Amino acid sequence: GAVVSQHPSRVICKSGTSVKIECRSLDFQATTMFWYRQFPKQSLMLMATSNEGSKATYEQGVEKDKFLINHASLTLSTLTVTSAHPEDSSFYICSARDRLAVQETQYFGPGTRLLVL
Amino acid sequence: AQSVTQLGSHVSVSEGALVLLRCNYSSSVPPYLFWYVQYPNQGLQLLLKYTSAATLVKGINGFEAEFKKSETSFHLTKPSAHMSDAAEYFCAVSESGGQNFVFGPGTRLSVLP
Repeated sequence: GAVVSQHPSRVICKSGTSVKIECRSLDFQATTMFWYRQFPKQSLMLMATSNEGSKATYEQGVEKDKFLINHASLTLSTLTVTSAHPEDSSFYICSARDRLAVQETQYFGPGTRLLVL
Repeated sequence: AQSVTQLGSHVSVSEGALVLLRCNYSSSVPPYLFWYVQYPNQGLQLLLKYTSAATLVKGINGFEAEFKKSETSFHLTKPSAHMSDAAEYFCAVSESGGQNFVFGPGTRLSVLP
């Protein structure tokens, strides 16, 4: 089946620094990738939709200047948490949609756990 | 607008017992419905999906779900629980098949020996 990877799997950083998370589709091309955030014991909340070659679409309440998304190729999207603060600590999950799939679905990455000290 | 509710944030069953996890949805158009499983500190794994074909959908690990339009439900079942089934389960709905997913709050399944 389709595989999506995320790097890093875990990251600890100091408050005020920026952290970049990569999301890659390994065996398919994804024109659209999605970034979710999951707080402990809660469901996934969509942060933004990343479209290859164009600006990301952010959900209401998500600061685009804080969560920078770049989708430079059909297999890679990056999420940069700028000037991270402890409240940004969370589990970030990306997903990708196979543009060639007959029945569209999203394939999820393994997630990145961010801890901001 | 789409929405998903999952009755019961925590369900406990004995090993070998029937597993029933409830999911109800609302959608203005025929929906695509999904069940995902999440093990601790991991991403989501697709269990099964309904895409307007057969109403009874069989997935991995012995799970299946039945789409009931009249009840707007898509409950997940497994005849006999295994210890390895203990995890968090999320129901999700999408009106466009591949995007605009809305996830339910999740149900944590515990399997007792």
